[in-house]
Amino acid sequence: KAGVTQTPRYLIKTRGQQVTLSCSPISGHRSVSWYQQTPGQGLQFLFEYFSETQRNKGNFPGRFSGRQFSNSRSEMNVSTLELGDSALYLCASTLNDGASYNEQFFGPGTRLTVL
Amino acid sequence: GQSLEQPSEVTAVEGAIVQINCTYQTSGFYGLSWYQQHDGGAPTFLSYNGLDGLEETGRFSSFLSRSDSYGYLLLQELQMKDSASYFCVPNAGKSTFGDGTTLTVKP
Repeated sequence: KAGVTQTPRYLIKTRGQQVTLSCSPISGHRSVSWYQQTPGQGLQFLFEYFSETQRNKGNFPGRFSGRQFSNSRSEMNVSTLELGDSALYLCASTLNDGASYNEQFFGPGTRLTVL
Repeated sequence: GQSLEQPSEVTAVEGAIVQINCTYQTSGFYGLSWYQQHDGGAPTFLSYNGLDGLEETGRFSSFLSRSDSYGYLLLQELQMKDSASYFCVPNAGKSTFGDGTTLTVKP
């Protein structure tokens, strides 16, 4: 079974631009979560989508948004990019079959650099 | 509110045993999971404690005490490849990974 894939792997943008990142979860997984990882802030939760609905949201400004499609693929968008948005953006998929806990499977991440 | 505390760095030698502690404060707590992340890699799942007590998986063990809002990850027979960051993650809706603990294993 293929793992979580993220595209693109690397991206360079300039301040003020917007960017869209894509995540394809493991086949059959219904939940997708997004995280931002920076050296100074650790791994921070952005949002979680389940069945095309945002189920949880972290403490990020409205410039960060996301969506999930009917095939569980997810995209996140960052508008009006700032230098501080430079980070590794990780996507994780979860089976979400009603078990008490489902581990998260992470993709390789998209390294975004804002100049 | 929510809070999560782990030591930022731990250093140990090959073959030794190391314990990474975690204290948390969160609402709607279901259990505690642990993830490992090597430098430049993606986090990978290590273990989950849904109930109080010890869970053992090979060289790694994880412990949870709900009454103390405390858990730990125990790594035995340390190997160089165990050098990585370790995150304790309370299972409570939003996944809080925090800054994690950087473990350095020296020869």
